[in-house]
Amino acid sequence: AQKITQTQPGMFVQEKEAVTLDCTYDTSDPSYGLFWYKQPSSGEMIFLIYQGSYDQQNATEGRYSLNFQKARKSANLVISASQLGDSAMYFCAMREGYGGATNKLIFGTGTLLAVQP
Amino acid sequence: DGGITQSPKYLFRKEGQNVTLSCEQNLNHDAMYWYRQDPGQGLRLIYYSQIVNDFQKGDIAEGYSVSREKKESFPLTVTSAQKNPTAFYLCASGQGMTEAFFGQGTRLTVV
Repeated sequence: AQKITQTQPGMFVQEKEAVTLDCTYDTSDPSYGLFWYKQPSSGEMIFLIYQGSYDQQNATEGRYSLNFQKARKSANLVISASQLGDSAMYFCAMREGYGGATNKLIFGTGTLLAVQP
Repeated sequence: DGGITQSPKYLFRKEGQNVTLSCEQNLNHDAMYWYRQDPGQGLRLIYYSQIVNDFQKGDIAEGYSVSREKKESFPLTVTSAQKNPTAFYLCASGQGMTEAFFGQGTRLTVV
């Protein structure tokens, strides 16, 4: 069964430093996509970055990069040069398959990031 | 602008009432999803739909119902059978493998 695991309930990082948020996943489907979302206190879910299972290179979007290690089934989010506005809840998610009954989008339990000045 | 619109933003329900949460998207996405989020917790899948007139139960479908009569719309009804409906409800839509976006959410409170 597909599963997303985020083992860090909370993280602290100093402003301007880099931080890595961990995510491991479990799936038997060779085709899947991995997502990271940011949820500030307002509640909205903001899409950050996407990595496809067949993508050869790690995804990057501005200060966000995804450290994709397929053999280890990990998809860690790296935020470089942290800013105070990065303080939020971060969720890792996975969508597997190209349709059919398993085409769900499932989430981990999240990591609360606090950026300190 | 393209996006996902959820309404209302805040909703109050009396005990024993059914209420319907709206979710509309103009992204031309095939798949749509409903999630429930309780304070300090992650997202749990209620229902999802991959195509018009078809939907599947998620992990916590009991006490909820949905319909998908149009590609753009995926309303969620919280029925009186849902014993603990107070939560934050998020709707999402997606296309293929690479896109999955969320609405702003509806905060439902039972009074």
